Amino acid sequence: AQTVTQSQPEMSVQEAETVTLSCTYDTSESDYYLFWYKQPPSRQMILVIRQEAYKQQNATENRFSVNFQKAAKSFSLKISDSQLGDAAMYFCAYNGNAGNMLTFGGGTRLMVKP
Amino acid sequence: DADVTQTPRNRITKTGKRIMLECSQTKGHDRMYWYRQDPGLGLQLIYYSFDVKDINKGEISDGYSVSRQAQAKFSLSLESAIPNQTALYFCATSDSRDRVAGELFFGEGSRLTVL
Repeated sequence: AQTVTQSQPEMSVQEAETVTLSCTYDTSESDYYLFWYKQPPSRQMILVIRQEAYKQQNATENRFSVNFQKAAKSFSLKISDSQLGDAAMYFCAYNGNAGNMLTFGGGTRLMVKP
Repeated sequence: DADVTQTPRNRITKTGKRIMLECSQTKGHDRMYWYRQDPGLGLQLIYYSFDVKDINKGEISDGYSVSRQAQAKFSLSLESAIPNQTALYFCATSDSRDRVAGELFFGEGSRLTVL
């Protein structure tokens, strides 16, 4: 079974600075998808960014980008120019060949200091 | 209106009571899921359904049951609630035709407290 590990339970960043959230995963599959979801205090799960494993180019969505290292099974999220609204729980998730069933990491709580 | 609606949003109940959490969606997706969120454990899959006649157990199905009443409705039941089922529960949907994206769409969560 696939596992997803987020080794940082909490992180903090100064507003306007850059922060990187770590995620590693374990899989024997070669084709899969990786996601970062954001959960603000409203509880809603919001997709931040996705990466397809067969694509070597790292995904980017505005201030959010990933560093995908397939051989190392690492998928970190970089948030640039952090804003107060970025404060939330962030979950890394894996979706393999079994279908659209996400396996989630334990989450990282990001605090943004003004 | 939300595309994926969960009811109730919050519920407090007592040990031994039967509880049903309901989920309905207007996205037209064929696949639906129930996840449980506990602090530090992320979200864990309880049950999933790929169509009305297809129900499957997830990682932590013990103590739970589900019913897929229609393509748009998927309910989760706790036949006899116990305190360690206190958690935040999420319903989610996906489209089997959207295999490339693999995105799940979540409801707003149902917070259940079992005393």
